[in-house]
Order: sequence, then C-alpha cells, then structure tokens
Amino acid sequence: AQSVAQPEDQVNVAEGNPLTVKCTYSVSGNPYLFWYVQYPNRGLQFLLKYITGDNLVKGSYGFEAEFNKSQTSFHLKKPSALVSDSALYFCAVRDPQGGGNKLTFGTGTQLKVEL
Amino acid sequence: DARVTQTPRDKVTEMGQEVTMRCQPILGHNTVFWYRQTMMQGLELLAYFRNRAPLDDSGMPKDRFSAEMPDATLATLKIQPSEPRDSAVYFCASGGQGISHEQYFGPGTRLTVT
Repeated sequence: AQSVAQPEDQVNVAEGNPLTVKCTYSVSGNPYLFWYVQYPNRGLQFLLKYITGDNLVKGSYGFEAEFNKSQTSFHLKKPSALVSDSALYFCAVRDPQGGGNKLTFGTGTQLKVEL
Repeated sequence: DARVTQTPRDKVTEMGQEVTMRCQPILGHNTVFWYRQTMMQGLELLAYFRNRAPLDDSGMPKDRFSAEMPDATLATLKIQPSEPRDSAVYFCASGGQGISHEQYFGPGTRLTVT
C-alpha cells in the first residue's frame, strides 16, 4: 500500500533562513506527489505537485520541492522563510489503487517561523 | 475564483441529534472527498465519490454515518445519531478529471457534539 512519512512533527526556523520540510514516500508505480498547506481554521490549500519531468517543482508562495527517486523523498523547501509561512504542511501521494485522484496524506508538519 | 463551499461552518449539537453537512464542489469537478480532522487522529478520509457514485467509504462508521451526492452540485454527509467522539472538523474536497489533478478543499465544518 502507498504511504508518506513526515518524520518531523514540528520545524522551527528563523525568518530569512532557508526552510526544509521533509517527506518520504512509498508507492508502487510512478509516484504522483503533492504538498498542501493549512493555515489555522482553514481548509488545506494546494501548493505544488510532482507528476513527471523536472525533479525541482516550483509552486505557490515561493515554495519548491525536490523529487528524489533514489531516496524516495519529496522535500518541501523555501530559500527565505517568512513569519507568514507558519502553518501546518501536508505531503500526499496518489493512491494507485483508489482510482482517480484519491490521495494518501502524511501526518503533517507544523512549521513555525520566528523573528 | 471557483471554490468548494461547505455549510454550516460551525455546528453545535447535543448527543443523539442528527447532523447534516453540505458541500458544493467546484463546477465541473467529478470527484468529491469527505475528510475528518482531529488533533488525535489527524486527517482521515471518510468517503470518496466519482461521477456521483460512491467508490470508497471504508473510513466511515457505517452504523451512524452516511454520504450521498443527490446531484453533481451537492454532496451531503449525515451523522445519526451523533456522539461526542464525532466532534471534529469535516472537510469536503473536489477534484477534476484525470489522475494527476489535485484536490481543492472547502473551509470545513467544525462540529461539536455535547
């Protein structure tokens, strides 16, 4: 069965510093990978996805993610963090058995950006 | 700006009462998902529809929960009878055609059962 792991419950980073939120995946076949962000009292918002092609994917709000097939990872990155980036981040992988665009989500990583 | 809408945004009810949550997916999307989010369990998939047909409701307690799509513009999630352990935020999401399409989430319904 497919799965994603987010090994860090929380990541703390100073504003202006680069940030990385880690995600590893397990899936049979080609991986379709997604990152979502959730701000307090809001629904999840799509950030970016990897389907095929360039291993570096760029998304909303200056975020990018690097797909690494050999390490089965899809880490989310941003060169310079903002306090407003503080939120809960979810990695997800398409379920190849579910049909359509059913996703399996990770447990989430709370990002805290401090001044 | 197309969005998934959910009603009500907040619901407080007493144990044993029926609760109905509604979702309007983005026009043209053919997949609809219901999720439940709690601090303890995180994000759980309850049910999944494609072209209004239920494909997977294995995450849903069958004895009290039911999900339907009366038409392409409305999805409902009902709990009868409600219990305090059902207190959570319930999200609806919709997605377009194709396996690479992302899901778009609504703002959620915060349910409190006392």
